[in-house]
Amino acid sequence: DTEVTQTPKHLVMGMTNKKSLKCEQHMGHRAMYWYKQKAKKPPELMFVYSYEKLSINESVPSRFSPECPNSSLLNLHLHALQPEDSALYLCASSQVADTDTQYFGPGTRLTVL
Amino acid sequence: KNQVEQSPQSLIILEGKNCTLQCNYTVSPFSNLRWYKQDTGRGPVSLTIMTFSENTKSNGRYTATLDADTKQSSLHITASQLSDSASYICVVRGGGADGLTFGKGTHLIIQP
Repeated sequence: DTEVTQTPKHLVMGMTNKKSLKCEQHMGHRAMYWYKQKAKKPPELMFVYSYEKLSINESVPSRFSPECPNSSLLNLHLHALQPEDSALYLCASSQVADTDTQYFGPGTRLTVL
Repeated sequence: KNQVEQSPQSLIILEGKNCTLQCNYTVSPFSNLRWYKQDTGRGPVSLTIMTFSENTKSNGRYTATLDADTKQSSLHITASQLSDSASYICVVRGGGADGLTFGKGTHLIIQP
């Protein structure tokens, strides 16, 4: 199984809503990542979890709150988002944080009204 | 500053034709270079990974080359198919917070 799954595929939310994005992998990877991607731009790193601990936070606003409940799951909690936060949110995983291949999920298309 | 530059930004070719995408990088120290294919609204999928000592690597109709001296890579697509329409992103490990520096991608459109 070389798949990273993400739910939901699409999410529309208002600026006062609270929602969560979910990511799951069963490849035994110990590093998981959240990226944000705007149209026609490359992915931008948001967070890195290594062995279920947050190792990198790329100065992301506090309205984005990551959580790694166990080695297979990664959540991104959303609260009080702005319309400019609308983007494709990608989850990825790799064996460990410094190794080569990152496997990406299909992404969640987020629209903030 | 670590940078990855890709060209062209966009490319339109007819089905069945070949094409070559370019990637120049200034990432240091260099560890490896990978090409990803990303369909619109989907996550990137790895095509090839090349280390310093590798010059050429193939994956079906995709062939990547690497010249570590000139810091250039190319991705050659042979006998293009409609399903090749996508963005192709060059990513170099060696810089950035997660060790990765992303190019902006080449948007490829295959026309019937």
